[in-house]
Amino acid sequence: NAGVMQNPRHLVRRRGQEARLRCSPMKGHSHVYWYRQLPEEGLKFMVYLQKENIIDESGMPKERFSAEFPKEGPSILRIQQVVRGDSAAYFCASSPPNFSGNTIYFGEGSWLTVV
Amino acid sequence: KQEVTQIPAALSVPEGENLVLNCSFTDSAIYNLQWFRQDPGKGLTSLLLIQSSQREQTSGRLNASLDKSSGRSTLYIAASQPGDSATYLCAVVRGEGETSGSRLTFGEGTQLTVNP
Repeated sequence: NAGVMQNPRHLVRRRGQEARLRCSPMKGHSHVYWYRQLPEEGLKFMVYLQKENIIDESGMPKERFSAEFPKEGPSILRIQQVVRGDSAAYFCASSPPNFSGNTIYFGEGSWLTVV
Repeated sequence: KQEVTQIPAALSVPEGENLVLNCSFTDSAIYNLQWFRQDPGKGLTSLLLIQSSQREQTSGRLNASLDKSSGRSTLYIAASQPGDSATYLCAVVRGEGETSGSRLTFGEGTQLTVNP
């Protein structure tokens, strides 16, 4: 059973370009979470999605950031017109459909560098 | 708003020492608390999960305690080894369960260095 898969692992973008980060949850998991870790800071919640639904996006910046989790395929975190301050590690996590407080599983992260 | 604080921010110890990492949270209405390990450039590995009704969990040389009423948790590492060097993160899940899923609020972490 493969773990949470994120790609790309490392991404370099110039200011103003778009960044797309992908996350495939563990098999059988239908809940996906995105977190951001800025340099020298802790992980901050961004968005919580279930298949085809955004459940909680209270941690998402109001502009340029969007997330989706389609019926088929991976979850995608999209950052438009990237700026230097978007440089960070973006982590995806997944959990099973029946919430029972079990451990959630994290991917290895996608490191975005904006030059 | 839940806030999670970890003390100390960094800790350096000689190999073989027992050590304690501290975590405090401001809202005691939690569903569970987890301790994670993060190695540089890597993702997070779950170490221990304590449900809100539990007082402690043990795994090998690790023991985590939870005092929900006082908003505190500790991670005890016995007989530390250089391979334990990493950042240790404490995180809580809100008490609403279903409505918040497994959304985690993290502390800033404690960076542990165990010297040979």
